[in-house]
Amino acid sequence: EAQVTQNPRYLITVTGKKLTVTCSQNMNHEYMSWYRQDPGLGLRQIYYSMNVEVTDKGDVPEGYKVSRKEKRNFPLILESPSPNQTSLYFCASSLWTGRGTGELFFGEGSRLTVL
Amino acid sequence: LAKTTQPISMDSYEGQEVNITCSHNNIATNDYITWYQQFPSQGPRFIIQGYKTKVTNEVASLFIPADRKSSTLSLPRVSLSDTAVYYCLVVQGAGNKLTFGGGTRVLVKP
Repeated sequence: EAQVTQNPRYLITVTGKKLTVTCSQNMNHEYMSWYRQDPGLGLRQIYYSMNVEVTDKGDVPEGYKVSRKEKRNFPLILESPSPNQTSLYFCASSLWTGRGTGELFFGEGSRLTVL
Repeated sequence: LAKTTQPISMDSYEGQEVNITCSHNNIATNDYITWYQQFPSQGPRFIIQGYKTKVTNEVASLFIPADRKSSTLSLPRVSLSDTAVYYCLVVQGAGNKLTFGGGTRVLVKP
C-alpha cells in the first residue's frame, strides 16, 4: 500500500530536549516536505526536499533542521524544542512531474507538545 | 509566490452543489491550481488539479477562467461526509515551495 509514515504520532516533551520526527514514503517520490498546522494559521511549509541531499527552507524553518540521506526518508529534527513549536506536524511526498509538484500524499500527522 | 484567498467557511445541505472560489491574483504562467480536502486530525487529501478551463474527476470539478486569477472547486450533491476543510494551493511550475491558503471550512447539514 502506498503510504507516508510518520513517527511518533504523539509526543510530549520538555523544552530543550532534542527530538526527531521520522517520515518515510514507499512510493519512490523525489519531493518530500514538512508542514506544521496551528489553529487559525492553516498549513505552513517548514522545509522541503527535491531529492537526496537537496533541501531548502519553506515559510517557517526557524528552529528546525532536516536531512535527506535516502530517497525514502526525510526526518524533521528539533534541536532544542520550545513551547512555540507545539503543533500538529505533517510530512508529505510527491512525484516531481516536470511541471511542478504533483499530487501530495500526506502522512497521518504527529502531534507534538513541548512543555 | 501566488497568495491564495478563500472564504473562511460555508454551510450547505445534503444533496446540494457546493462551490468554493479561491482568488490567486498573482498566479504565474507556469503555476498549477490544486485543491485538497482535510478531515480533523488527518492529513490533507488531494482532490483535483488544473491549469485552465475545466477539469472534472469522479469527485469534483475545477473551473478556471481565462485570466486564471481565480478558480472554483465544485462539489456536486454533497453528503454529510463532505464536511471538511478545503484548501486551495497554487503549485509553482518552476519551483518547489508550497504555500497553502487558510482553507474553507465546509459544513454539510442534513
